[in-house]
Amino acid sequence: AQSVTQLGSHVSVSEGALVLLRCNYSSSVPPYLFWYVQYPNQGLQLLLKYTSAATLVKGINGFEAEFKKSETSFHLTKPSAHMSDAAEYFCAVSGGSYIPTFGRGTSLIVHP
Amino acid sequence: DTGVSQNPRHKITKRGQNVTFRCDPISEHNRLYWYRQTLGQGPEFLTYFQNEAQLEKSRLLSDRFSAERPKGSFSTLEIQRTEQGDSAMYLCASSFKSGQGAGELFFGEGSRLTVL
Repeated sequence: AQSVTQLGSHVSVSEGALVLLRCNYSSSVPPYLFWYVQYPNQGLQLLLKYTSAATLVKGINGFEAEFKKSETSFHLTKPSAHMSDAAEYFCAVSGGSYIPTFGRGTSLIVHP
Repeated sequence: DTGVSQNPRHKITKRGQNVTFRCDPISEHNRLYWYRQTLGQGPEFLTYFQNEAQLEKSRLLSDRFSAERPKGSFSTLEIQRTEQGDSAMYLCASSFKSGQGAGELFFGEGSRLTVL
C-alpha cells in the first residue's frame, strides 16, 4: 500500500523567493517518487523522479527535491520563483509495479 | 511523435447515456494507464494495460466502467449509463514497462466529461 500527503493546497510566494512544496509518503516497499506539474489546460508533465540513486534529485526548470527516508519526505524546492512557475504540482509514489499514487496537489501562486 | 492524444477533449452528455473516450499513446510505450481527476484532487488510478493485456482493473469505479486496448495500441474507456457523479477529467498516460524510463508517465491533456 502506498499514499502521498501534500501539505498545503495552496502556496503563495513572491517572484524571486524560495519555493518549498511539501510531500510526505507512505510505502510498504522501497519507493519511487515523482513530482509532476500541471499548467492550466495542459496535461501533467514530469518534473523529476527519485529511483534509489542520488537522494538529491535535480529536475527541469531549476526544481530539485531531496529524498529523506527517515522523514518519509520528498519536498520540492526552487531557489527563486518565476511567474511562469505558477501551476499545480503533484507528488506521486509508486512501488515496483510502477503504478503511481498521486497526492491532492498544491497550487503554486507567484506574486510579482 | 506528438505525445499522448485523447479524444474528445470535452464531452457533455445526459444522465443515462453511454460515453467512450479514446487514447492514443506514445507509440514506443508498452504501458497505458487511465486515471480520473476531479476538482481539487489528484489523479486517481483506474486501470492499466501492458501491451494488450489489462493487468489491473479492480480500481475501476464500478461495473459501468470498462476499458479496452484491442491491439496493444490505442485504448478506449467506456462509461455506461452515466451518472452526474461521473463528471470529471479522464486522463490517459503511457510509459515504458521497464528500464530507465519505467514509471515516468506521459499524460495526455485529458477528456472532460460533464453529465447533465
